[in-house]
Amino acid sequence: DTGVSQNPRHKITKRGQNVTFRCDPISEHNRLYWYRQTLGQGPEFLTYFQNEAQLEKSRLLSDRFSAERPKGSFSTLEIQRTEQGDSAMYLCASSHPGQGLETQYFGPGTRLLVL
Amino acid sequence: ILNVEQSPQSLHVQEGDSTNFTCSFPSSNFYALHWYRWETAKSPEALFVMTLNGDEKKKGRISATLNTKEGYSYLYIKGSQPEDSATYLCAFNTGNQFYFGTGTSLTVIP
Repeated sequence: DTGVSQNPRHKITKRGQNVTFRCDPISEHNRLYWYRQTLGQGPEFLTYFQNEAQLEKSRLLSDRFSAERPKGSFSTLEIQRTEQGDSAMYLCASSHPGQGLETQYFGPGTRLLVL
Repeated sequence: ILNVEQSPQSLHVQEGDSTNFTCSFPSSNFYALHWYRWETAKSPEALFVMTLNGDEKKKGRISATLNTKEGYSYLYIKGSQPEDSATYLCAFNTGNQFYFGTGTSLTVIP
């Protein structure tokens, strides 16, 4: 396991459809973060997990977004009834509290385009 | 929402020039300040994590300083090379959340 992986890398969907993304963190990392990044902006925090518990969720996150990490390993991010404004890069990162003061290791991202 | 600002937004320098960028952040709720380097089509890569006021970190030709009292960090690149071309992101860590700046896009012209 050399890093954080995300699938799919690209997703094109029609408005109104549901999409689900997957993130596999570095195996010994117990913290997992989801971010959204739009053009010209930095990554925007969405939510984070410590093991299987979802500890923080951004107030900017609408109820169409849900994330899970059922066994404390991989995580899924689902967007229901997608809107064109959901088009963005969705980044996942993982960290371990004992390593480098929460240095986050990022995956390559999933780029979503909603038509 | 905490405001993290980076300047300049973009920068073009000649190979061999030295350059620096600024990250401004709130002076309260500080836990750590992170710098990342993000090359096109790659994942953001961690450069530094800084926690103490007055911290200075160095990695090769890249170094960073931290002032938590006034809420800023500088990233310096000495003798820029074309491979330094990337977006440099800073992130303010409150211990619970990370707040990223919009990044400084650096282009080093050979």
